[in-house]
Amino acid sequence: IAGITQAPTSQILAAGRRMTLRCTQDMRHNAMYWYRQDLGLGLRLIHYSNTAGTTGKGEVPDGYSVSRANTDDFPLTLASAVPSQTSVYFCASSELAGGQDTQYFGPGTRLTVL
Amino acid sequence: GQNIDQPTEMTATEGAIVQINCTYQTSGFNGLFWYQQHAGEAPTFLSYNVLDGLEEKGRFSSFLSRSKGYSYLLLKELQMKDSASYLCAVMGSNYQLIWGAGTKLIIKP
Repeated sequence: IAGITQAPTSQILAAGRRMTLRCTQDMRHNAMYWYRQDLGLGLRLIHYSNTAGTTGKGEVPDGYSVSRANTDDFPLTLASAVPSQTSVYFCASSELAGGQDTQYFGPGTRLTVL
Repeated sequence: GQNIDQPTEMTATEGAIVQINCTYQTSGFNGLFWYQQHAGEAPTFLSYNVLDGLEEKGRFSSFLSRSKGYSYLLLKELQMKDSASYLCAVMGSNYQLIWGAGTKLIIKP
């Protein structure tokens, strides 16, 4: 079934550790996004990529990095995790960037930093 | 600043109609989206409005007034499976989505 996969499903991480959240889509979408979702807050954009080889910063990029080596994969790395990065992380993709293109979401990764 | 407001929680009865409101103040406007999110799951697309007026899609309809910075999602013939959070999001001038915190809809039998 076409869609977006994320791994891991959930993770408990010690503060200071490095962690990479994986995201893969098979819809050949150009644009991909990373969001975090915290209770009582809307989804917040961390980083995005309008096309393979390019990335941009969203609303809350500090402490996170991304790469977009190809169309399908968009990993999110936490270089040195802190407790405030405890959240649910969603990867999304859309055929094009902007406009009326619907964003499709992966199942999410629940991350706890202790 | 940019802001999207929607009620935190609403309760409705199975078979009834409910209207979920969303007001927004954003720098630029390139469309408004509604998504549904069941607990523990990913958001899924419901509707998109870019012009004023009502868009109907089965039991769900979405309305937009750009001059008032206002939208609503109307759900008819409510079913228990409609219990979920409903997220309003506006695409701003930079073509990034700005999200409301979501409205948790509780359906009672």
